[in-house]
Amino acid sequence: SAVISQKPSRDICQRGTSLTIQCQVDSQVTMMFWYRQQPGQSLTLIATANQGSEATYESGFVIDKFPISRPNLTFSTLTVSNMSPEDSSIYLCSVSWLEKGPHEQYFGPGTRLTVT
Amino acid sequence: DQQVKQNSPSLSVQEGRISILNCDYTNSMFDYFLWYKKYPAEGPTFLISISSIKDKNEDGRFTVFLNKSAKHLSLHIVPSQPGDSAVYFCAASASSYGKLTFGQGTILTVHP
Repeated sequence: SAVISQKPSRDICQRGTSLTIQCQVDSQVTMMFWYRQQPGQSLTLIATANQGSEATYESGFVIDKFPISRPNLTFSTLTVSNMSPEDSSIYLCSVSWLEKGPHEQYFGPGTRLTVT
Repeated sequence: DQQVKQNSPSLSVQEGRISILNCDYTNSMFDYFLWYKKYPAEGPTFLISISSIKDKNEDGRFTVFLNKSAKHLSLHIVPSQPGDSAVYFCAASASSYGKLTFGQGTILTVHP
C-alpha cells in the first residue's frame, strides 16, 4: 500500500502568521483532499486539490484563508493563512485512486496545529 | 446540520465479545458508506465499506450492515480484541465526487 506523509507533524504558531503543510504520496494518485479535525469534532472536508488548477472549496472555506496547490500527481500543500486560535486543529490530507474506487480515501498521519 | 451521526460517544466491551458500533444518516443521496479506525496521533485507517446496493459486507472480523429504509448502518467486530481499542468513524459519500461526510466518532475500548 502507498505511503502518505505530511510535514510538519505538528507546529505551534503565533496568531497572524501562516503555515504551509505538505502532503507527499509515494505513488501517483487520482484525487487529493484536505480535511480539518477541530478539537473534539469530526473530520470536515476543506477542499479537493485539483492538479494544475484551482482547488474546489467546500462551503465555509475560502481560498484566501486556505490556499492549496497540487503541482503533480503525488504532492499537495495546504496553507493556513493569518492564523487565529480557532485554526488550532489537526489537518489531514487524504488520497484516492480511481482503480480502487473514488469513494475510498486513505489518510496521511495529520498535522497538529496549535495557534497561540 | 449533522448528516451523519454516531450517537454513542463511547463503547466498552470485553475481549472476545462482539462490538457493535452504530451510525445514522439523513441524506438519502448517500450511496456509499465507510468505516475508519483512528488511533491517537495517527490518521484514520480505512476499515471496510459498503455500497448502497448491498445490505451486508464482510471482511474477516469486521462486518458492516446497511439498512437503507432506516438510514442506519452498523459495524460488527467479532471477536473484539484489545488492539481494536480506537476511535471509529463512519463516513458517507454521495455520487463519485469523493467527498466524505463523517460522523463524530465512537471511542471503543476493549478490555482484556
